[in-house]
Amino acid sequence: AAGVIQSPRHLIKEKRETATLKCYPIPRHDTVYWYQQGPGQDPQFLISFYEKMQSDKGSIPDRFSAQQFSDYHSELNMSSLELGDSALYFCASSLVRVGNTGELFFGEGSRLTVL
Amino acid sequence: GIQVEQSPPDLILQEGANSTLRCNFSDSVNNLQWFHQNPWGQLINLFYIPSGTKQNGRLSATTVATERYSLLYISSSQTTDSGVYFCAVVKGGAGAGSYQLTFGKGTKLSVIP
Repeated sequence: AAGVIQSPRHLIKEKRETATLKCYPIPRHDTVYWYQQGPGQDPQFLISFYEKMQSDKGSIPDRFSAQQFSDYHSELNMSSLELGDSALYFCASSLVRVGNTGELFFGEGSRLTVL
Repeated sequence: GIQVEQSPPDLILQEGANSTLRCNFSDSVNNLQWFHQNPWGQLINLFYIPSGTKQNGRLSATTVATERYSLLYISSSQTTDSGVYFCAVVKGGAGAGSYQLTFGKGTKLSVIP
C-alpha cells in the first residue's frame, strides 16, 4: 500500500540558510500534518492542512511556513535556520471523518542538521 | 491542552518476557494511537484504538475511554521490539476542532538476548 513520502530524507544546512521539505500524502487522504522531533524528545505538532486550507497551528516558529498544493502535496519552508532547528521532521496524513481526525500515518521523516 | 503520561519511562526486558505499557490522558479523546519508533527513527503504527481492545500478533491494546487510560501489551518480546513506544491522542468533545495528535513522552524499551 502507498505510504506517506517525504523528501529529502537527510539535509545539512548552515545557520541562517533556508530549507524546504516536501511531503506527498497517502492518495485520497485530505489532511496533512507536520511534526518536529528533537533529539530524545517526543514529536511536537507544527501545523496541519485540511483540503488545502490551514486547519490547526501548533508551536511553529514564525520563521517557518507551510502550504498544501492543489495536488495535496505539502511543503514546509524554514528560513534563517538556527542550530536548534536540527531535528527529525515528520509529515503525516489522514482521512478526516466528522469530528475525528481518523488514523494518522507518518512518513519516514526528514533529518535536518544545521551547522 | 490535553496531557498524556506514559509509564514506565524506561523498561529493560529479557527476550521472551511479557510487558505492559500504560498511557493516561487528562481529557476525553477522539483518537488514540500507539506507535513504535525504531532505532532508525521510523514511526510505525501499532494500533488506532480510541476505545475497546485490539490484537495484532504478539501485541494487543486496550483503551478504557471512560477512565482515560490505554494499555499496550507485548508478549514474548524479541530484540526487534526494542525502541520507543509512543501513545498519542486527539482531544475530543463538542467543538474540539483540533487536529493535533498530542504525544506522550514515550516508553523506551530495550529487549536483551
